[in-house]
This record gives sequence, structure tokens and C-alpha cells, in this order.
Amino acid sequence: AQTVTQSQPEMSVQEAETVTLSCTYDTSESDYYLFWYKQPPSRQMILVIRQEAYKQQNATENRFSVNFQKAAKSFSLKISDSQLGDAAMYFCAYRSAYAGKSTFGDGTTLTVKP
Amino acid sequence: DAGVTQSPTHLIKTRGQQVTLRCSPKSGHDTVSWYQQALGQGPQFIFQYYEEEERQRGNFPDRFSGHQFPNYSSELNVNALLLGDSALYLCASSLMDRELGELFFGEGSRLTVL
Repeated sequence: AQTVTQSQPEMSVQEAETVTLSCTYDTSESDYYLFWYKQPPSRQMILVIRQEAYKQQNATENRFSVNFQKAAKSFSLKISDSQLGDAAMYFCAYRSAYAGKSTFGDGTTLTVKP
Repeated sequence: DAGVTQSPTHLIKTRGQQVTLRCSPKSGHDTVSWYQQALGQGPQFIFQYYEEEERQRGNFPDRFSGHQFPNYSSELNVNALLLGDSALYLCASSLMDRELGELFFGEGSRLTVL
């Protein structure tokens, strides 16, 4: 069974600074997708960024980028120029290319200080 | 473009009762997944419906059942409620397509079992 581990329950960053959230996963499969989702307080979860395992190039979406290390099974999220609106719980998720189930980590609560 | 809608948003039940939660997927989506999110934890996969059939199931007892209708909307039923069933229940829709794996979430139904 696949597992996703987020070792940082809480992180804090100063506004305009950069922060990196860590995620490791365990799988025996070679074809899969990885995601970072953001869940603001009392609001719905939304996708931040995704990475296809067969792509070597790290995904980037504006201020958000990932460091995907397939051999190490590591998938970290870097948020540049942090904004107050980035404060939320961030979840790393894994999905096999052959199944519908997504497996989530337990999340990292990000606080952005003004 | 209507996103994922869930109802009710909040509900309180007592042990032993039954509950039905409802979900309408994002327009154009054909797949609905249900997740249980306990406080401070990541979402746990309950099951996924596609073409009105349960396609995959997580480690949840038979007390959890579901249904998908021809218009792709879905219901989650939980029988014989336990205190431990108290959680946020998230509905997520997607397309049954190997290249598109991201989930679109509703705001959730918060169930409290007393």
C-alpha cells in the first residue's frame, strides 16, 4: 500500500520570504501522479500543483514549484514570495496511474507572518 | 461553471442513527470520490463511483455505502453511526482519464455524532 508522509506538522514563514514543505512517499509503482493541495480554514481544498512521475522536469505554477526526486521518493513544495493568503493547511497526495484512490499525508499547517 | 456542491454542510446525529450525504460533481465530471477527514488529519479514501458503480473502496466497513445516479451526482450513506464517525466528509469529482488525476473538492459535510 502506498503511504505519504509529511514530517512537518507546522511551518511558519515571513511574508515575502520563501518556505519549503516536505513530503515523502512510498510506492512500488513506476507510473503515478503527485499533488499538493491547499485547504484554507473552513474553505474547500484546491489543487496547488501536480507532477507526473514520468516527467523529469519539476512542475512550476507561478510562485509555487516542486522538487521531485523520484529515486528518493521525495516531493517538496516551495512557495516563493509568501503572501498572507498562502496561510492554510497543505496536503501532499499520491495517486496511482491505474487506480482512482488518492492517498494523502496528514498535512502541514503554514502560518504566514506579516 | 458550477463547482462541487455538497449538502448538508453541517449535521448532528446520535449514535446508532443513519445519515445520507449528497454531492453534485463539477460540471463535466463523471467520477465521484468520497473522503473522510478527521480533525487535524488528511483525508482518508472511502470509495469512488464511476458509471454508477463502486470502482474502488478504501478500508471502511460496510456501514459506509454509496450510490451514483445517472446525472453523476452521488450519495454517501452511513448506518449505525459511531462516535468515531464524527468528521468532515469530502466529496471530490474528477474525470476518469489517465492523464487527468486532480480532484475538485466540495466544501464538505461536517458530521457530529453524539
